[in-house]
Amino acid sequence: GAGVSQSPSNKVTEKGKDVELRCDPISGHTALYWYRQRLGQGLEFLIYFQGNSAPDKSGLPSDRFSAERTGESVSTLTIQRTQQEDSAVYLCASSSGTFGTDTQYFGPGTRLTVL
Amino acid sequence: EDQVTQSPEALRLQEGESSSLNCSYTVSGLRGLFWYRQDPGKGPEFLFTLYSAGEEKEKERLKATLTKKESFLHITAPKPEDSATYLCAVFLTARQLTFGSGTQLTVLP
Repeated sequence: GAGVSQSPSNKVTEKGKDVELRCDPISGHTALYWYRQRLGQGLEFLIYFQGNSAPDKSGLPSDRFSAERTGESVSTLTIQRTQQEDSAVYLCASSSGTFGTDTQYFGPGTRLTVL
Repeated sequence: EDQVTQSPEALRLQEGESSSLNCSYTVSGLRGLFWYRQDPGKGPEFLFTLYSAGEEKEKERLKATLTKKESFLHITAPKPEDSATYLCAVFLTARQLTFGSGTQLTVLP
């Protein structure tokens, strides 16, 4: 019955290292989204999963970013060879409907700091 | 080019002082507009969805309205607990949800 959870809540890494961010959506939600929020800015769409369909990766900023989702459960966002500009809060959301037509419920985010 | 612009960037109100936040968009083919509230260190919390010009939604002290080019979030007699960043997002075409940069609201007791 819990909401969307994300881990870790904070991650500090060195430039060039790989990081994995995890998202546990609300049970039963078929859609899962990843967003990036830089300090003082709005949310940038990264990737969208809907059921077993091929994910919409149109928002991924570079090929260093990738994401996976197992069925309709956990998702992992991986950033390879991190750069300082990757520092941001990464937010995950889930919904029971299709993109834009249904309420998205957000997790608390993972704050990533790349030194 | 900015498609979604929120104003003001920051707003300070005294408790009980009503005001409005603006979200304007410069695109056509709007399929929906969302308002979210975001508290520091937390993810956005859904408030409203508006789909067509003239539509209005209310929740406690908040009322959202939509025209063909903008949306307003009216806050009536705000309380300190209404302090947060308010985000709007427009749903344009399939799979494109564009967020504004938000209005940071502070309500002073």
